[in-house]
This record gives sequence, C-alpha cells and structure tokens, in this order.
Amino acid sequence: NAGVMQNPRHLVRRRGQEARLRCSPMKGHSHVYWYRQLPEEGLKFMVYLQKENIIDESGMPKERFSAEFPKEGPSILRIQQVVRGDSAAYFCASSHGRAGYNEQFFGPGTRLTVL
Amino acid sequence: GENVEQHPSTLSVQEGDSAVIKCTYSDSASNYFPWYKQELGKRPQLIIDIRSNVGEKKDQRIAVTLNKTAKHFSLHITETQPEDSAVYFCAAAETSGSRLTFGEGTQLTVNP
Repeated sequence: NAGVMQNPRHLVRRRGQEARLRCSPMKGHSHVYWYRQLPEEGLKFMVYLQKENIIDESGMPKERFSAEFPKEGPSILRIQQVVRGDSAAYFCASSHGRAGYNEQFFGPGTRLTVL
Repeated sequence: GENVEQHPSTLSVQEGDSAVIKCTYSDSASNYFPWYKQELGKRPQLIIDIRSNVGEKKDQRIAVTLNKTAKHFSLHITETQPEDSAVYFCAAAETSGSRLTFGEGTQLTVNP
C-alpha cells in the first residue's frame, strides 16, 4: 500500500516562472491538504480539498496560488509568477476523512527553490 | 482562528534522560491533538495523538497528557535514545474543522 506520493521532490524555478506540484493521496483517501514549511519553521496550512472541490482555501495567498483535485489524477498546487519568498518545502497530506477525526499522512514534500 | 504555541524551541538531553515538550492552544473547540516527528529532510510522521475525552495516553516510551481547562498538552519521552533526535511538532484540530494548526516545532537532540 503506497503512501502519499509527491513529485517532483525538488523543483528549481526562476523568478516569474510557474511551479506545478503534484500529490497523489494514499489509496482510499479522498481528502487532501497542502502545507507550506519555511526553513526552520512549522507547517502552515494552505488549502483543503476533496475530490473536485475546494473545501477551505483560507491559508492560501489569494494571488498567484491555486489548487485543484480533479476526479481523475493527482492534486495540483500551482504557483504562478514565482518569487524568492515562495522558496519552501510544500507538503501534501491525505486522510480518510476530515482533519479532526482522522490521521493525516504526509508525503515526502516538494522542495521549491526560486532563483 | 486557532493558535498553537510550543516550547522549548530547542531541547538537548543526555541519552536515557526524559524529554518534555509543551504546547498551548487558544481555541476551546479544538479536540484532537497529534504529535509529529520530522527527521531532517524527511516527511512529518505521526507518533501519538490524543482526543479531548482522554487526559493521558501512552505508547511504550512516549506519552501525551492533555489539560482541557488550561488548554495545554505535553509530550513526554522517557529513556531517550539518539534516534529520538528530530524536530517534534504539536498540532491541534477541531473535529468539524478542515486543518491541523501546528506549533513551531522543538529540535530535540539526544546526546550519547
């Protein structure tokens, strides 16, 4: 039973480019969460999605960031026109149900570096 | 929204000693409190969790206590080993909520 998968593991972009981060949840999980971790800091919630729906995006910047979880395929976190401040580790987590009831399993993360 | 504070930010102990990490939360509606361990460059992994209807939970060398009245919870690791060295994060969630709110983490170093 494969765990949460994320790709790419490392991503380098120049300022102004687009970054696309992918997350495949654990088998049987339909709830996906994205968190951002700056160096030597905690994880900050960005967005919570279920299949085809964004449930809570209150932690995600309103500009340049978007997320989706289509009926088929992985969840995508998209960052347009990246800036140096976007450099961070982005973790995806999945669960069988909502955060307060069910354990969240984390993927290995995508480490984004913006030059 | 929920705010979780975690102390200390760094903790160094000798192998075999105990380690205690403390967290406070602000939202009285929070009722699920997991602890995650993150080794350098790795993913966070759940090590223990507790719900608000329980005051204490233990799993081998790890225990968590919860004081709902004071809104704080603590992680206790006994007989520490060098492989316990990592960053530990506490978190809180509302049962009907959509997210985990994390503390800032504690870097635990166990010296042989």
